[in-house]
Amino acid sequence: DQQVKQNSPSLSVQEGRISILNCDYTNSMFDYFLWYKKYPAEGPTFLISISSIKDKNEDGRFTVFLNKSAKHLSLHIVPSQPGDSAVYFCAASVPQSGNTPLVFGKGTRLSVIA
Amino acid sequence: DAGVIQSPRHEVTEMGQEVTLRCKPISGHDYLFWYRQTMMRGLELLIYFNNNVPIDDSGMPEDRFSAKMPNASFSTLKIQPSEPRDSAVYFCASSLWGRYTEAFFGQGTRLTVV
Repeated sequence: DQQVKQNSPSLSVQEGRISILNCDYTNSMFDYFLWYKKYPAEGPTFLISISSIKDKNEDGRFTVFLNKSAKHLSLHIVPSQPGDSAVYFCAASVPQSGNTPLVFGKGTRLSVIA
Repeated sequence: DAGVIQSPRHEVTEMGQEVTLRCKPISGHDYLFWYRQTMMRGLELLIYFNNNVPIDDSGMPEDRFSAKMPNASFSTLKIQPSEPRDSAVYFCASSLWGRYTEAFFGQGTRLTVV
């Protein structure tokens, strides 16, 4: 059973507009959430993260929002640029004494149209 | 640092053959993860190591899969014998110890079993 779900396999947005990528999770023990970006033939690269004590984290054009009661997070990209076209993975981890492996969603392919 | 290095980048092999994928983590990282990416299942964790010791291999699909980490700078994932359904992109990732840390991914090995 998928603990991290990205229900939209793809998203298409006009350049300059806002891109909103969504992610839902089922495990209430998750307390750290990350977004990764992946270009073709490359490995995923870390984009932005948020811990469960916050509801928003912003880094330049990228903002992640966390709604713990709804077990939902979203990534906003404003303004969207053609170079943002990639697959975006949502990931989450459970607290333990050290690291825990990230659990990933299946990804959403974002296409930004010029 | 050059990042996580995986080899080979591409591997094509015949069904029944042994396949060995290699990974060099980022120097100083305590954790090493092997993930597999498929269209159906997205990014799934196969196994992870802490200080060269396997911690959880419950994601390894079958006994045909094995992984080793003989030292802090090298890990292998072996499939013997390989089958067409093993065709996927295999990623290695490493991270530092800590509750809120991200994993750094290699570029992946695209495996095709014919």
